[in-house]
Amino acid sequence: AQTVTQSQPEMSVQEAETVTLSCTYDTSESDYYLFWYKQPPSRQMILVIRQEAYKQQNATENRFSVNFQKAAKSFSLKISDSQLGDAAMYFCAYSPLEGGSEKLVFGKGTKLTVNP
Amino acid sequence: DTGVSQDPRHKITKRGQNVTFRCDPISEHNRLYWYRQTLGQGPEFLTYFQNEAQLEKSRLLSDRFSAERPKGSFSTLEIQRTEQGDSAMYLCASSLVGTLGTQYFGPGTRLTVL
Repeated sequence: AQTVTQSQPEMSVQEAETVTLSCTYDTSESDYYLFWYKQPPSRQMILVIRQEAYKQQNATENRFSVNFQKAAKSFSLKISDSQLGDAAMYFCAYSPLEGGSEKLVFGKGTKLTVNP
Repeated sequence: DTGVSQDPRHKITKRGQNVTFRCDPISEHNRLYWYRQTLGQGPEFLTYFQNEAQLEKSRLLSDRFSAERPKGSFSTLEIQRTEQGDSAMYLCASSLVGTLGTQYFGPGTRLTVL
């Protein structure tokens, strides 16, 4: 079974600084998607960034970028120029292509605090 | 595009009662997913539909749980004879086939079983 591990239950960062959230996953498949979702307090889950496993180039969305290391099964999220609005739970998620469901397997999350 | 909506947002019930939740996906999305999220955990997959067909159910989905998507639009999730262990946030998400698996989530229904 596929699993996703987020080893940092909590992280904190100073406003305007950079922070990296870690994620590792376990799978025997070669094709899959990886995601980072953000869940602000009492608000709904929002997609932050997506990576297709067949792409070697790391995905980037404005201040958010990933470091995708397929051989190491690692998928970290870097947030640059952190803002107060970045404070949230961040979930790493894996989506297998096999079976066709594209269901998401989530890690336990990392709570990010942004200090002014 | 009004996003994914869920109703109710909060539900408090007594053990043994039945509850039903509704999810309205983004209108053109043909896939609809249900997840359960307990405190301190990430969401766990329960089941999904493509159009009106329920194509996969997790082993987490006991016989007391049933989901429908009768016309391929909104979906309902019913829990019969609720137990305290059913207390959780129930999340609905929708997606469009061919969009690289990107799912859009609703705000969730928080269930408390007393």
